[in-house]
Amino acid sequence: EPEVTQTPSHQVTQMGQEVILRCVPISNHLYFYWYRQILGQKVEFLVSFYNNEISEKSEIFDDQFSVERPDGSNFTLKIRSTKLEDSAMYFCATGRGAYEQYFGPGTRLTVT
Amino acid sequence: AQSVTQLGSHVSVSEGALVLLRCNYSSSVPPYLFWYVQYPNQGLQLLLKYTSAATLVKGINGFEAEFKKSETSFHLTKPSAHMSDAAEYFCAVTQSYNTDKLIFGTGTRLQVFP
Repeated sequence: EPEVTQTPSHQVTQMGQEVILRCVPISNHLYFYWYRQILGQKVEFLVSFYNNEISEKSEIFDDQFSVERPDGSNFTLKIRSTKLEDSAMYFCATGRGAYEQYFGPGTRLTVT
Repeated sequence: AQSVTQLGSHVSVSEGALVLLRCNYSSSVPPYLFWYVQYPNQGLQLLLKYTSAATLVKGINGFEAEFKKSETSFHLTKPSAHMSDAAEYFCAVTQSYNTDKLIFGTGTRLQVFP
């Protein structure tokens, strides 16, 4: 069964550094999302992406964050200058339609 | 604004016993509701969803949930727990229009004892 994959599984970075988290969607999925889960807290929506543009973003998704599909397959989340509070598990989700989201295994980001 | 409340951060049952995980939602517009399961070190797996068709929804692994508008609830049940059901379960809500972002509850960790 096709799955959403994410790389890396764990990323350690220093405060102020840029990170790029990568997601390979299930083939033929058209809707893409990023969520995050800070340890011990709820899973939170960050951004949704459809037809090569952001369809919705949360208050968390400020100018430090960006998303793109650089090659039409991978879906990436970039954090330009990481902060300690960006440490979290980041989940990519993709879907054929808007109301069926399949999640990847997540990337654990640790900012030191 | 929409929200989800999951009563009970931890639920323990014996193998073979009924599983009941509670979820209540708040929404000013017709909601779509979801249950996801997360096994250790894995991502979120969709168990089932309610998108305004039948109010009793059947999902994978023998789970089902019933949408009760009068009670604003979407509780998850399974008649007979199996050891492999031990995991964290998340209820989530979204609107039926204008947005598809999922609003998650805090999760319920299910333990199954032999």
